[in-house]
Amino acid sequence: KNEVEQSPQNLTAQEGEFITINCSYSVGISALHWLQQHPGGGIVSLFMLSSGKKKHGRLIATINIQEKHSSLHITASHPRDSAVYICAVPSGGTSYGKLTFGQGTILTVHP
Amino acid sequence: DAEITQSPRHKITETGRQVTLACHQTWNHNNMFWYRQDLGHGLRLIHYSYGVQDTNKGEVSDGYSVSRSNTEDLPLTLESAASSQTSVYFCASSESVGLGSSYNEQFFGPGTRLTVL
Repeated sequence: KNEVEQSPQNLTAQEGEFITINCSYSVGISALHWLQQHPGGGIVSLFMLSSGKKKHGRLIATINIQEKHSSLHITASHPRDSAVYICAVPSGGTSYGKLTFGQGTILTVHP
Repeated sequence: DAEITQSPRHKITETGRQVTLACHQTWNHNNMFWYRQDLGHGLRLIHYSYGVQDTNKGEVSDGYSVSRSNTEDLPLTLESAASSQTSVYFCASSESVGLGSSYNEQFFGPGTRLTVL
């Protein structure tokens, strides 16, 4: 079973700060997911990546397959970025299969 | 627009009752999943299906069952509800496309908050 660890578990920032959330996993994978969950809300897929880097607006996700590590960066953070960020890895050698999740990182951005 | 819906959104039931949570997706995805989310445990897989008539157990499947009679629906049944099954339940779906394709992202429903008294 793939063990997925996220750090930090809680993160508080001031508006405008650069944010980094880390994710490491124990078994080699084909792809990794980053998800976002707002308080009381549903879960939204931010990225799925299998190599290198992806960027969407102020969000950047990177992955190092050899080191079994991924990071999610938020540039110029804003209070609306406050949410739980979850990394997840598919099992069974596919990129579309059932997911194993990290515990999540609770991000709070103060104005 | 394609979507994935869950019903009911909130339910309160009593211990021992049978409960069915509905999940319906209009993406025409082959793959569907049920997860539960609990404080201290995060999201965990209950059951999943990779196509019609295919169902598989996840890591926390005891006390739950699913059936897949068509592409769009994967209902989750709690055979005899227990207080330990109080949780938020999320359904998700994904397509089976080539390795690393962006189409492999999972789309999540809005969740069902279940309370078992």
